[in-house]
Amino acid sequence: NAGVMQNPRHLVRRRGQEARLRCSPMKGHSHVYWYRQLPEEGLKFMVYLQKENIIDESGMPKERFSAEFPKEGPSILRIQQVVRGDSAAYFCASSPKIGDGNTIYFGEGSWLTVV
Amino acid sequence: AQTVTQSQPEMSVQEAETVTLSCTYDTSESDYYLFWYKQPPSRQMILVIRQEAYKQQNATENRFSVNFQKAAKSFSLKISDSQLGDAAMYFCAWFSNTGNQFYFGTGTSLTVIP
Repeated sequence: NAGVMQNPRHLVRRRGQEARLRCSPMKGHSHVYWYRQLPEEGLKFMVYLQKENIIDESGMPKERFSAEFPKEGPSILRIQQVVRGDSAAYFCASSPKIGDGNTIYFGEGSWLTVV
Repeated sequence: AQTVTQSQPEMSVQEAETVTLSCTYDTSESDYYLFWYKQPPSRQMILVIRQEAYKQQNATENRFSVNFQKAAKSFSLKISDSQLGDAAMYFCAWFSNTGNQFYFGTGTSLTVIP
């Protein structure tokens, strides 16, 4: 069984460019969560999505950040006009249903560096 | 709001010895999960152990075990027979059965001394 797949693993962007991070959940999982880890900090919740729906985006910055989870294909976290403060590790997790702590798993993370 | 507190920013242990990492949390919910994750230098998030709040028996996974005190809202991790590969950042996390968020502590950096 393939785990939660994230790509790219490492991404370098210049200030003002766009960053797109992709997350393919585990097979059979229709719930996706995005977390951000700033240097020297723990993971912080950004957004929770089900197929074609954003359920909770309370942790997402109001500007420049967006997320989607289309019917087909991976979930995408999009950061427009990146700034140095966006440099962080972005983790995706997936589960087959809400609130099931037994079956939620993290991907290996995507590291965004803004230069 | 849920909070998770790890009061030990750094810990060290001699190889083959035992170390305990502490974690406390605050919640008004009764049904939840608690986790310990390991983050090595590769920065992957590796699940070490999980505990369901309604289970009184402490979870164990080989050399890793927890001391779950629900009333005290305490969830410590014990690593026995420590190995060099255990060196990493360890995060305690809380997850609600009715919600959709993990709440993470700030982490404990564990050093294993040969």
